[in-house]
Amino acid sequence: AQRVTQPEKLLSVFKGAPVELKCNYSYSGSPELFWYVQYSRQRLQLLLRHISRESIKGFTADLNKGETSFHLKKPFAQEEDSAMYYCALRGYNQGGKLIFGQGTELSVKP
Amino acid sequence: EAEVAQSPRYKITEKSQAVAFWCDPISGHATLYWYRQILGQGPELLVQFQDESVVDDSQLPKDRFSAERLKGVDSTLKIQPAELGDSAMYLCASSLVGGTANTGELFFGEGSRLTVL
Repeated sequence: AQRVTQPEKLLSVFKGAPVELKCNYSYSGSPELFWYVQYSRQRLQLLLRHISRESIKGFTADLNKGETSFHLKKPFAQEEDSAMYYCALRGYNQGGKLIFGQGTELSVKP
Repeated sequence: EAEVAQSPRYKITEKSQAVAFWCDPISGHATLYWYRQILGQGPELLVQFQDESVVDDSQLPKDRFSAERLKGVDSTLKIQPAELGDSAMYLCASSLVGGTANTGELFFGEGSRLTVL
C-alpha cells in the first residue's frame, strides 16, 4: 500500500536553529516525492520536488530509498518558515495523483 | 495571477441535506482534482478529471458523492445526503497536464469548509 508518514504533528524551534521535518513513505516501486507548504491564510502550494534536486527558500530534501525517507531540512530557521508542511508521494506513471502525509506544523519562535 | 476559484468558502448544513461545491480551475489546466481534508489530516484524493473524463474516483463514496466536469472546465462536487462524518475542508486543485507529463505541481484553491450538524 502507498503511504506517507509524518511522525511529528508539531515541531517548534527557535530562529536560527536547524530544522528537519521527517517524512517516511511506503511504496513498492519508484516514487516521486514532494513537499507542499501552507502558510497562514494562504493556499497549499508546492515547495519542492525531489526530482529537481533544488533548494527553495533554503530548504532541501534528499530522497533516501534505502530508508524510504524524504526529510526536509533547513540549516537556519526563520520566523517566516512557520507553516504547515505536507510530504506527498506520487507513484510512477500515476499522473497527478498525490498521496499526502498528515502534515507537520512548524513553529519558529523569535 | 491566475488562481483556482472555489465556492462557497463556508457551508453549514444539517445531516441528510444536499450540498454542492463549485470549482473553476486555472484556465487551460486539463486536470482537475477534488481532495477532502479532515481536520488534523492531510488531503485525500476523492476524484481526478482529465478534461471531462474521470481518471480516478476510487476513493469517492459513490453512494452519496458525485462529481462532474461537463465541459472540461469547471466542476461541481455534490453530497446527497450529507452525514456528520462529511465535515471537512474540500479542496479543488488543477494542473496543466495529466499523465506522465504531469510535473506533480498542483495548484490549489482556498477550499470549501463544510460543517454538518
